[in-house]
Amino acid sequence: VQLVQSQAEVRKPGASVKVSCQASEDIFTGYYIHWVRQAPGQGPEWMGRINFNGGGTTFTQKFQGRVTMTRDRSINEAYMELSRLTTDDTAIYYCARESDFDDSFDYWGQGTLVMVSS
Amino acid sequence: QSALTQPPSASGSPGQSVTISCTGTSNDVGAYNYVSWYQHHPGKAPKLMIYEVNKRPSGVPDRFSGSKSGNTASLTVSGLQAEDEADYYCCSYLGSDPRYLFGTGTKVTVL
Repeated sequence: VQLVQSQAEVRKPGASVKVSCQASEDIFTGYYIHWVRQAPGQGPEWMGRINFNGGGTTFTQKFQGRVTMTRDRSINEAYMELSRLTTDDTAIYYCARESDFDDSFDYWGQGTLVMVSS
Repeated sequence: QSALTQPPSASGSPGQSVTISCTGTSNDVGAYNYVSWYQHHPGKAPKLMIYEVNKRPSGVPDRFSGSKSGNTASLTVSGLQAEDEADYYCCSYLGSDPRYLFGTGTKVTVL
């Protein structure tokens, strides 16, 4: 099973970026899909999650109003869009499936580098 | 919330053991038995190694073990092998925003 993410992106400050995450098999149904990012030289940071079935979302306060998470059940794909980008948003963005044990993530994408530069 | 504290690096020779600490507070690591550990080879997808402090997912060698005491969780890799060389991150479930808190990461080098 693989989670395949979209290719690296370069954006200017103020722009938006949308990252996709597609599962090679139907492993998203019934689970939460999370997005985690890792800025250069820092540990990972949890951004939020989407209920793949119902579409309900939860975001950490830091990204409220700037992040949107959606999904397309027909093609087993999840999306994360981040708007009003700044250079601080330069990071590798990962999708991950929440495991059956709630506290952890059992499948991860390979990551998508988003670089924000003027 | 500040990231959980891990040593930047750890090393050992093949066959030896290495233990990585993950220090938090009574609001995160100390509050829940919900600590997980991830192995990450740069450029690849992170891999779940330990969940709920000391449980191994299917397929993870029993050379990997987890524990917790107070506000500090630990990951021990016994019988080090070359393929264990990677970055390791701990993660604590918080229950409230930001829901999950990760560690600063430890680079394990097999000498």
